[in-house]
Amino acid sequence: KNEVEQSPQNLTAQEGEFITINCSYSVGISALHWLQQHPGGGIVSLFMLSSGKKKHGRLIATINIQEKHSSLHITASHPRDSAVYICAVSNFGNEKLTFGTGTRLTIIP
Amino acid sequence: NAGVTQTPKFRVLKTGQSMTLLCAQDMNHEYMYWYRQDPGMGLRLIHYSVGEGTTAKGEVPDGYNVSRLKKQNFLLGLESAAPSQTSVYFCASSYVARVGEQYFGPGTRLTVT
Repeated sequence: KNEVEQSPQNLTAQEGEFITINCSYSVGISALHWLQQHPGGGIVSLFMLSSGKKKHGRLIATINIQEKHSSLHITASHPRDSAVYICAVSNFGNEKLTFGTGTRLTIIP
Repeated sequence: NAGVTQTPKFRVLKTGQSMTLLCAQDMNHEYMYWYRQDPGMGLRLIHYSVGEGTTAKGEVPDGYNVSRLKKQNFLLGLESAAPSQTSVYFCASSYVARVGEQYFGPGTRLTVT
């Protein structure tokens, strides 16, 4: 069973700061996913990646397959970025995801 | 295009009562999932379905049953609710080829007293 660990569990930062959230996993995967859960509860997929880096607006996700590690970065953070960020992994031929426990991010104006 | 919808949004049950949570998706997704989310724990898979008429157990299936009679609907049943089933329940769906890109419903907050 793949173990997915995220750090930190909680992160508070000032508006404008550069944010990094980390995710590590124990077993080789086919893809890693980053999701965002807003205070209202809704969950949306941000990225799916199997190698390298992806960028969407101020969000950047990277993955190092050899080190079994991924990072989610937020540049020029804004209070609207306050949410829980969840890392999940999927494996070849498997219909299921394994989720981390999430990182609660709070951006203070 | 409503995406994934869940009913009800909130519910309070007494121990021993039964209820059914309904999930509906209008994206023609083959795969559907039921998760529970508890404080300090990641999303945990209860049951899932890879197509109409099929269901399979996930990580925490005890105390729950599911049915997928129509491709667009996935029902989660609690036959005899217990306080340990107090949780937020999320339904999700995905295409076969893009399992990781799951579309989530808004969640159902269930309290069992």
